Amino acid sequence: GAGVSQTPSNKVTEKGKYVELRCDPISGHTALYWYRQSLGQGPEFLIYFQGTGAADDSGLPNDRFFAVRPEGSVSTLKIQRTERGDSAVYLCASSLPGLQQFFGPGTRLTVL
Amino acid sequence: AQRVTQPEKLLSVFKGAPVELKCNYSYSGSPELFWYVQYSRQRLQLLLRHISRESIKGFTADLNKGETSFHLKKPFAQEEDSAMYYCALKETSGSRLTFGEGTQLTVNP
Repeated sequence: GAGVSQTPSNKVTEKGKYVELRCDPISGHTALYWYRQSLGQGPEFLIYFQGTGAADDSGLPNDRFFAVRPEGSVSTLKIQRTERGDSAVYLCASSLPGLQQFFGPGTRLTVL
Repeated sequence: AQRVTQPEKLLSVFKGAPVELKCNYSYSGSPELFWYVQYSRQRLQLLLRHISRESIKGFTADLNKGETSFHLKKPFAQEEDSAMYYCALKETSGSRLTFGEGTQLTVNP
């Protein structure tokens, strides 16, 4: 079966613009996670969904970041007024509750 | 707050030599520990988890609660082991993973 997919694979934007990053989890996985990986660092947790609701959004760095999962499947990470410091690889993972997280290939975001 | 430390950013060994990738953690409860691996141009994938106590691709890792460590070991490294390795921790009651900064392992021929 298909793994976690993320689109786009690369996104280049200008400072101040709005971006949306999409994650398609493995079918049937109710848990979905977003992580951010800056250059030379390990992934850092952003937000976790169980079904449609955000069970833990304590990793979102500020109110410019927002994520939704309206139907409990696909999720979109939204970043407003992008800053150069937002440049990173954004990783999505999905799992059955409490079980192994499967990661997507990531979206590389570059803010010029 | 929980923290995972991987003291070596780079580690280079020769094929057939033993390898140990170090991981230390700080967490007040009983964590679940994992090793993830990312091969070149591939996605992050689970290598092993401490609760399963199994050997994957010849790698083992033992959780030492006294030393708060979860070092990854392999007695005879292979060239195909060259990759980035991340140690990660999951809280007892949570779902998020806390990752270390990673160790880039290079196995030379």
